[in-house]
Amino acid sequence: DGGITQSPKYLFRKEGQNVTLSCEQNLNHDAMYWYRQDPGQGLRLIYYSQIVNDFQKGDIAEGYSVSREKKESFPLTVTSAQKNPTAFYLCASSIWRGLYNEQFFGPGTRLTVL
Amino acid sequence: SQELEQSPQSLIVQEGKNLTINCTSSKTLYGLYWYKQKYGEGLIFLMMLQKGGEEKSHEKITAKLDEKKQQSSLHITASQPSHAGIYLCGADIGPDSWGKLQFGAGTQVVVTP
Repeated sequence: DGGITQSPKYLFRKEGQNVTLSCEQNLNHDAMYWYRQDPGQGLRLIYYSQIVNDFQKGDIAEGYSVSREKKESFPLTVTSAQKNPTAFYLCASSIWRGLYNEQFFGPGTRLTVL
Repeated sequence: SQELEQSPQSLIVQEGKNLTINCTSSKTLYGLYWYKQKYGEGLIFLMMLQKGGEEKSHEKITAKLDEKKQQSSLHITASQPSHAGIYLCGADIGPDSWGKLQFGAGTQVVVTP
């Protein structure tokens, strides 16, 4: 079955540590995205990538880094510079269907900083 | 930047009753997406609207985009427990958006027996 996988589902981190969230898709989509969701808020875009070896900052990129070495993979690193990293992180990939872009989402990773 | 406002923030509806969720934009919408989310899970795509006045239905869920393309509504007829969850609207922010979406804060729907 095609889809998007994120791992781990739950992640705990001590303050000052970097942590990497995994996102893999087997949908053959070119574009991939990372969003952050906080309680009572919508999704906010962290980084996005339209093609392999290329990515751009979203609205809240500070304290995060990404890489896109393979089409299938778009890992997100939450660095110690991120001041409030506890959140629910969602990865997505997308495909153009005519004039609109349909995004498919992974199941998410909940990160808690202790 | 484009802002999306969803209303209500939450609602409780008795099983079998209808409900409506609104999504209002401060700017013209190039595309409006509706997603459903169970708590702690990913988003499930429901439908997408692009043309002013467009209306789409899937099972008991109907979404509309107004003529001015600044407001969308999601209507659920005869709600069931399976309709419970968080509904989010997402907007295509323009011709140069490259697929980036901006999201509303979501509407939490609770369906009671």
